[in-house]
Amino acid sequence: QQQVKQSPQSLIVQKGGISIINCAYENTAFDYFPWYQQFPGKGPALLIAIRPDVSEKKEGRFTISFNKSAKQFSLHIMDSQPGDSATYFCAILTGGGNKLTFGTGTQLKVEL
Amino acid sequence: EAGVVQSPRYKIIEKKQPVAFWCNPISGHNTLYWYRQNLGQGPELLIRYENEEAVDDSQLPKDRFSAERLKGVDSTLKIQPAELGDSAVYLCASSLAGGSYEQYFGPGTRLTVT
Repeated sequence: QQQVKQSPQSLIVQKGGISIINCAYENTAFDYFPWYQQFPGKGPALLIAIRPDVSEKKEGRFTISFNKSAKQFSLHIMDSQPGDSATYFCAILTGGGNKLTFGTGTQLKVEL
Repeated sequence: EAGVVQSPRYKIIEKKQPVAFWCNPISGHNTLYWYRQNLGQGPELLIRYENEEAVDDSQLPKDRFSAERLKGVDSTLKIQPAELGDSAVYLCASSLAGGSYEQYFGPGTRLTVT
């Protein structure tokens, strides 16, 4: 079964700082690399996604960087805010685009 | 637009008892997913429906888990009998079509088996 390795498990960042979360995947080509955000007591919500033929995608303070040769992709949160405190999951779309496989999650806390 | 609705939000049962979870997806979404999320882990797919058809149930423990989506809209996931290891959050999600990375999740049902 395809796996996604996510790090770090937890992260504490000061307000205004940059949060960086990394994911690595195994072989095979995928259709999309999305990131989901989950607040306590809520289901995950799509944050941003990137196609494998693009090296970087930016939406507001959130940027995905994709390194195809290294089989890695990362989420950067610029100017991190306390409201960004949540658990972040990377994911890969596998099985011919029919299955979303999630990483283990990163619990982010942004301190004042 | 209403989101994915799940009920109940919390359920506590004793082992060997049955339990059922209900999900109503976003209107117009043909694809429905059931995931299980263990504490500190990402969601894991249990079953995916395209309309009424279960097109991927390879990760569903069929000896005790069952699911249905009779009219291609809402869905029920059942566990019978429940085991201690079934304690988790059960998430329902929907998307406009299969093969989409853009899935909309409900708040989940937190199941505790004692």
